[in-house]
Amino acid sequence: GENVEQHPSTLSVQEGDSAVIKCTYSDSASNYFPWYKQELGKRPQLIIDIRSNVGEKKDQRIAVTLNKTAKHFSLHITETQPEDSAVYFCAARDSGGGADGLTFGKGTHLIIQP
Amino acid sequence: KAGVTQTPRYLIKTRGQQVTLSCSPISGHRSVSWYQQTPGQGLQFLFEYFSETQRNKGNFPGRFSGRQFSNSRSEMNVSTLELGDSALYLCASSFGSTSPYEQYFGPGTRLTVT
Repeated sequence: GENVEQHPSTLSVQEGDSAVIKCTYSDSASNYFPWYKQELGKRPQLIIDIRSNVGEKKDQRIAVTLNKTAKHFSLHITETQPEDSAVYFCAARDSGGGADGLTFGKGTHLIIQP
Repeated sequence: KAGVTQTPRYLIKTRGQQVTLSCSPISGHRSVSWYQQTPGQGLQFLFEYFSETQRNKGNFPGRFSGRQFSNSRSEMNVSTLELGDSALYLCASSFGSTSPYEQYFGPGTRLTVT
């Protein structure tokens, strides 16, 4: 089955700086890569996703890049704000709808320092 | 549109008992997936239902089961509860299941086994 590795586990950045979270996956059949943000005590919230037919997708301050050859994808947050503090999860799923559902990374705790 | 709802939100059970959790997907969504979230293992896929049929199943023992009704609502059942079953159980709904669709999570049911 799919295996997703996520780094770093904790990331502390100054407010206004950029943050980058990286994930690698093992199954070359995976072609859907969502990112979720989970604030303390709340549900995971889908913030952006990318499919393997594109290399980059951007939504305001958030962007995701995908390198299918290297099997890694990254989340980029620019001009970080205090409300960006949360745990971020990457995930992967294969083209057939995913025999294993979404496979998640272990999460990155992003801390925005004022 | 109303989001994904789950009931109950909190549950305390004793070892050996069984429990049933309920999930109502977003209106129009026909696929429901279930995940277990724990601090140690992160988010792990349990199973996925589409049109009342289980499409996929994760690597969990047979004590974990589920079903989906004709109105797309889903239930999951855990029999013979163990202490290790204490977790946040999240369901996620998506429009379809034959290709990777965006999944939206419910607030979860926090299960504590004593």
